[in-house]
Amino acid sequence: QVQLQESGPGLVKPSQTLSLTCSVSGGSISSGGYYWSWIRQHPGKGLEWIGYIYYSGSTYYNPSLKSRVTISADTSKNQFSLKLSSVTAADTAVYYCARAPLIGTCDYWGQGILVTVSS
Amino acid sequence: QSALTQPPSVSGSPGQSVTISCTGTSSDVGSYNRVSWYQQPPGTAPKLLIYEVNNRPSGVPDRFSGSKSGNTASLTISGLQAEDEADYYCSLYTNNRGVVFGGGTKLTVL
Repeated sequence: QVQLQESGPGLVKPSQTLSLTCSVSGGSISSGGYYWSWIRQHPGKGLEWIGYIYYSGSTYYNPSLKSRVTISADTSKNQFSLKLSSVTAADTAVYYCARAPLIGTCDYWGQGILVTVSS
Repeated sequence: QSALTQPPSVSGSPGQSVTISCTGTSSDVGSYNRVSWYQQPPGTAPKLLIYEVNNRPSGVPDRFSGSKSGNTASLTISGLQAEDEADYYCSLYTNNRGVVFGGGTKLTVL
């Protein structure tokens, strides 16, 4: 059974970089054709796709966030990470990591982590 | 404003059927079949219900079904149960826009 767990600071100051890590257990992020994805949900709002890193290392980002987003992987730790730069209050959200066997089809999700952007 | 339009809310009584629509355009929903549906009870992560328009992952009851006609995809829940009360989201992948979600629909079981 694949499990994903987000970790990182719950509070980030405006203009700084949000950094989150997703730890994966029950499967290797470097094997199989999976898209390791990040999705966020603003408080009381809908879902927003951030991007993914493919098992091969290629990435694809939401065009609206592309200039500020970096997704990377550390296969030795079986983790993948999200960095979002120059954050504002509008980036306050619950951030989820997920596994997708097909782009946009997320079959396993982390529990989510609330990140608040505030001074 | 979401790229895919869902009704804000739907409701039904136990045992009834409800359908949630997800409307796009001929350039997205009308042209691509990478439609997924997710269920999100309050305070929990989304759960995949349907992928590629009408496929159910193992473990999802066959009360949940998906379809598509023209520019609208639909999720039908038959034999409504109290535990089905949740938010439901559609998503679509296109190779020029990536993944977009609908605005979500709150299902109330009366």
